[in-house]
Amino acid sequence: QSVLTQPPSLSGAPGQRVTISCTGTGSNIGAGYDVHWYQQRPERAPKLLIYGHSNRPSGVPDRFSGSKSGTSASLAITGLQAEDEADYYCQSYDSSLTGEVVFGGGTKLTVL
Amino acid sequence: QVQLVQSGAEVKKPGASVKVSCKTSAYKFSGYYLHWVRQAPGQGLEWMGWINPDSGDTNYARKFRGRVTMTRDTSISTSYMDLSRLRSDDTAIYYCAIDSSGLTAGFDPWGQGTLVTVSS
Repeated sequence: QSVLTQPPSLSGAPGQRVTISCTGTGSNIGAGYDVHWYQQRPERAPKLLIYGHSNRPSGVPDRFSGSKSGTSASLAITGLQAEDEADYYCQSYDSSLTGEVVFGGGTKLTVL
Repeated sequence: QVQLVQSGAEVKKPGASVKVSCKTSAYKFSGYYLHWVRQAPGQGLEWMGWINPDSGDTNYARKFRGRVTMTRDTSISTSYMDLSRLRSDDTAIYYCAIDSSGLTAGFDPWGQGTLVTVSS
């Protein structure tokens, strides 16, 4: 069971907006640690999509946006495209016990 | 543009060890943390630990302490992840990834991944 909780799957039609949630606790997201998001297409390595809650690396379309509130974070994708079909993971740091990097369990996004 | 190139696929028997390498193609082999993350078939991402190539300092996830060792060879800009006492549930793709700002900027880039299969 992952420290950060994501919905296992989501779907949307082309052009729609979808939001992927990432729920943590007071020892990770709620403690103010940065949240990052990754996109992983089949048979490929993860790719950084959003860092520091809401920043996009160079080359990431502005259709992708991130936000954080309290112990949760969200990734929003607007104008859904077929190429957005992939797995999405959130990541943060957890300060409980010895402190570790933690990932969400991942969300499989299907474009209908 | 930093690139990470990992060693090739491995097949190991239960109880054996595996050593995966990650070569950094960059103008410098320093100033960042090198993390290892694995992904079992059909599963999510699991953090294993990091090494600071400058100092050699390491930090391992509790789950892997006692079985994992991360090292580096600065002369060839290469980091290594050694996992011992392999079990079938260690079958996974192992990735290395760079963290250039102490967990504030995410992991970027990632290596291409190394498939480790543990089977008798």
